[in-house]
Amino acid sequence: EDQVTQSPEALRLQEGESSSLNCSYTVSGLRGLFWYRQDPGKGPEFLFTLYSAGEEKEKERLKATLTKKESFLHITAPKPEDSATYLCAVSNAGNNRKLIWGLGTSLAVNP
Amino acid sequence: DTEVTQTPKHLVMGMTNKKSLKCEQHMGHRAMYWYKQKAKKPPELMFVYSYEKLSINESVPSRFSPECPNSSLLNLHLHALQPEDSALYLCASSQKTTPGRALIGKLFFGSGTQLSVL
Repeated sequence: EDQVTQSPEALRLQEGESSSLNCSYTVSGLRGLFWYRQDPGKGPEFLFTLYSAGEEKEKERLKATLTKKESFLHITAPKPEDSATYLCAVSNAGNNRKLIWGLGTSLAVNP
Repeated sequence: DTEVTQTPKHLVMGMTNKKSLKCEQHMGHRAMYWYKQKAKKPPELMFVYSYEKLSINESVPSRFSPECPNSSLLNLHLHALQPEDSALYLCASSQKTTPGRALIGKLFFGSGTQLSVL
C-alpha cells in the first residue's frame, strides 16, 4: 500500500538551531515528491518538487533532498517565522489522480 | 497574480441551510480542486475539475455539489450538512500540460473557508 510517513510529529527549535525533517515513502513508481508549508488557518503553500533520487532544491533557509526511500527538508539557522506545519506528499505512477499526503511535522522556532 | 481567492473566510451554518463557497483564480490554470481538511490532518481531495468539466469525484456525499461556471471560478454548494462536515475547505488550482494530465503536485491553494455546522 502506498504510504507517506513524516517524522518527527512535532519539533521545537531555538532560533538559529539547524535541523532536518524526514519524509519516508513507499509508493509504486514515484512520479514526484512535494513539500508544502502550512500556517494555522491557511492553505498549504507549495515549496518544492523533487522527481528523482539525488535531486536537491533550495529556497532561502530550506533545502530539500531526495533518496529512493525518503526526503529530508533541512532548515538552516531557522527564524521564528519558519514556524509552521510542513507537509510532504507524493504522486505515483499507479494513480496520478491525487496526492498521497503525510501527516506533517509541526515546527516551532523560539526566539 | 499567483493568488487563489476564497470567500467567505468563515461560515457558520445550520443543518437545514443552503450555502455556497466560492473560489477564483486568474493564473490561467485549467485544473481546479476542492479539498477538505480537518485539524491536524492533511488535505483530503473531494473534487477535481479539468477544463471546466468534473473529472474526479472522490465519493463525496451529494450534500456537497461542485460547480465550475468558467475557467476562473469554482463553487461548492452546501445543503443539509452534518456537524461532522465542519472543517477547513480549501480550493486549489494547477497547470495542465495536456488535456489529460495535470501537474497535480504543484498546487496553488487558497486560504480556505473555515466551516462550522451547528
